[in-house]
Amino acid sequence: DQQVKQNSPSLSVQEGRISILNCDYTNSMFDYFLWYKKYPAEGPTFLISISSIKDKNEDGRFTVFLNKSAKHLSLHIVPSQPGDSAVYFCAAHYQGSQGNLIFGKGTKLSVKP
Amino acid sequence: DAMVIQNPRYQVTQFGKPVTLSCSQTLNHNVMYWYQQKSSQAPKLLFHYYDKDFNNEADTPDNFQSRRPNTSFCFLDIRSPGLGDAAMYLCATSRVGMNTEAFFGQGTRLTVV
Repeated sequence: DQQVKQNSPSLSVQEGRISILNCDYTNSMFDYFLWYKKYPAEGPTFLISISSIKDKNEDGRFTVFLNKSAKHLSLHIVPSQPGDSAVYFCAAHYQGSQGNLIFGKGTKLSVKP
Repeated sequence: DAMVIQNPRYQVTQFGKPVTLSCSQTLNHNVMYWYQQKSSQAPKLLFHYYDKDFNNEADTPDNFQSRRPNTSFCFLDIRSPGLGDAAMYLCATSRVGMNTEAFFGQGTRLTVV
C-alpha cells in the first residue's frame, strides 16, 4: 500500500513555462514533506521541503504547496529550464519515525528547449 | 565536496556470492539509512542506524545485514545475492531531532550475474 503517490510517471514542458508536479499521501501522521531531484546514475538531491504547519514554501524558482485537507502537495517550477530535466521524488516522514523517508515512485520531467 | 560517499559506484557480483557495499559521511549525522531502489520504483528503506541502534524494516529480507562500526561508516552486506537483488543501493544520513532533509550518496549500482 503506497503511502506516497505520484500518479504521473512523466511530464513534458516547454522551456520557460511552468512545471507542476503533484503528489498525494494517505498517512495523516506525516508532518514533513520533501522534494528530491535525481539525475540518472546519481543519488537524490534535496530540493525543497515544507512542514505541515505551512501551506507554502518558496525557494527561487521552486515553490511547494501543501493542502493538508486534501493530503496533496505540488511542486511548481517557474520558469522551467532544460537543466531541470530529471526525476522528481516526493517524500514524507513524521515525528518519531527517526527521519525515515517514504518516497513516491517519482515523476520524470523533461523540459524541452 | 562530497558529504556522503558510497563505494563502489558500480558492483558486479556473482549469484550467491557475498558482497559488501560501503558508505561514509563527513556530516557527523547521527542517523544513517540504506535504501534500495529498483528501476521505476520508489526508493525503499531497508534499515537505519540511530547512533548505534540498528532498526530493521519489517519486510527487509534476512539476506540483508548492516554494520556501523563508527559514526562515519556504514556497510550493507548481502549474504547471498539473488538476481532480484540487482538494484541501486542508496545510503543517506540525517540529523534527527529537527525537521531536516536527508543527504544521499551517489548510490551503488549492483548487478548480479
